[in-house]
Amino acid sequence: TAGITQAPTSQILAAGRSMTLRCTQDMRHNAMYWYRQDLGLGLRLIHYSNTAGTTGKGEVPDGYSVSRANTDDFPLTLASAVPSQTSVYFCASSDTSGANVLTFGAGSRLTVL
Amino acid sequence: GQNIDQPTEMTATEGAIVQINCTYQTSGFNGLFWYQQHAGEAPTFLSYNVLDGLEEKGRFSSFLSRSKGYSYLLLKELQMKDSASYLCAGMDSNYQLIWGAGTKLIIKP
Repeated sequence: TAGITQAPTSQILAAGRSMTLRCTQDMRHNAMYWYRQDLGLGLRLIHYSNTAGTTGKGEVPDGYSVSRANTDDFPLTLASAVPSQTSVYFCASSDTSGANVLTFGAGSRLTVL
Repeated sequence: GQNIDQPTEMTATEGAIVQINCTYQTSGFNGLFWYQQHAGEAPTFLSYNVLDGLEEKGRFSSFLSRSKGYSYLLLKELQMKDSASYLCAGMDSNYQLIWGAGTKLIIKP
């Protein structure tokens, strides 16, 4: 089934440890995004990439890094996790970076203790 | 600042009609999106409005008034499977999405 695959589905992580959330899409979309979703808040953009080889900072980038080596993959890395990074993380993609529909992955639930 | 406001929770009866309102303030405007999100799942696209008026898509319709900074999502003939959160998102002049916190819709038999 075409779409976005995220891994892991859920993870418990000790504070101070590093973690990479994986995201792969098979739709050949140019733009990819990482959001976090917290109770009572709207989705917040962490980082984005308009095309392979480029990345940009979103609303809440601190403590996170991304890379976009190719069209399909857009991993999100937490270098040294803190409890405030406990959240559900969604990867999304769109055909271009304009006013286009987002396709979301199923999400990765991360708990930092 | 940029902001999206929508009710936190609404309750409706199976078979009825419900209207979920959304007001937005964005720096510039490139459209208004509605997404549906079932509990524990990913958001999925419902509608996009960039011009004033009503867009109908089956049981779901979405309305936009740019002068009032207002949109609503209208759901007709409610079914139990419509129980979900409905996310309103405005797109600003930089094509960045500003998301509301979502409206949790509870459908009762």
